[in-house]
Amino acid sequence: AQKVTQAQTEISVVEKEDVTLDCVYETRDTTYYLFWYKQPPSGELVFLIRRNSFDEQNEISGRYSWNFQKSTSSFNFTITASQVVDSAVYFCALIEWNYGGSQGNLIFGKGTKLSVKP
Amino acid sequence: GAGVSQSPSNKVTEKGKDVELRCDPISGHTALYWYRQSLGQGLEFLIYFQGNSAPDKSGLPSDRFSAERTGGSVSTLTIQRTQQEDSAVYLCASSLEMTGTTGELFFGEGSRLTVL
Repeated sequence: AQKVTQAQTEISVVEKEDVTLDCVYETRDTTYYLFWYKQPPSGELVFLIRRNSFDEQNEISGRYSWNFQKSTSSFNFTITASQVVDSAVYFCALIEWNYGGSQGNLIFGKGTKLSVKP
Repeated sequence: GAGVSQSPSNKVTEKGKDVELRCDPISGHTALYWYRQSLGQGLEFLIYFQGNSAPDKSGLPSDRFSAERTGGSVSTLTIQRTQQEDSAVYLCASSLEMTGTTGELFFGEGSRLTVL
């Protein structure tokens, strides 16, 4: 069955610590896209990254990095030197191109709430 | 507007009443999406519009839910005869293109619905 699992419901770290948010997915499709979104307290989800199933290159953007491994069906997200402003709920999501992907049917995990304390 | 605008931001209603939730997408975005975020349930896809057309309405939870979009812009999600299990945050998003290609979704801040 197609689904996204974020096993960590809540993580608490102290500022400047590195933190990794786990995401494991299951899909029936060979063409799929993976996403990470951030939901700050204001409630508005903010797009962070999109990867397609044919591109396993890891990506780094400032303090953020993503590790995509098809062999383990994982798409983990690491924040280096965390800051208080990173506190939010982070969602991993999957879109299956041949199963509703053309209709924007994002399958979300249940999210990981990250609290960064000063 | 600068971002996706949703109204009302908060709505408290009594069981059995009808409610309308409005979404004003980013100007020029042709695709519009409705999601529902329930406590402990994560985000659930409801419906997608390309222009004014919704090709697949099977994501709507029941026939009490309907959605329309007019003029390729504003969309309204209507819930008739609300039930307590309808209580959730209803999120609207828009994008230039379908998410599977190059576009990413831009979300509004949501409409929090509480059914007493």
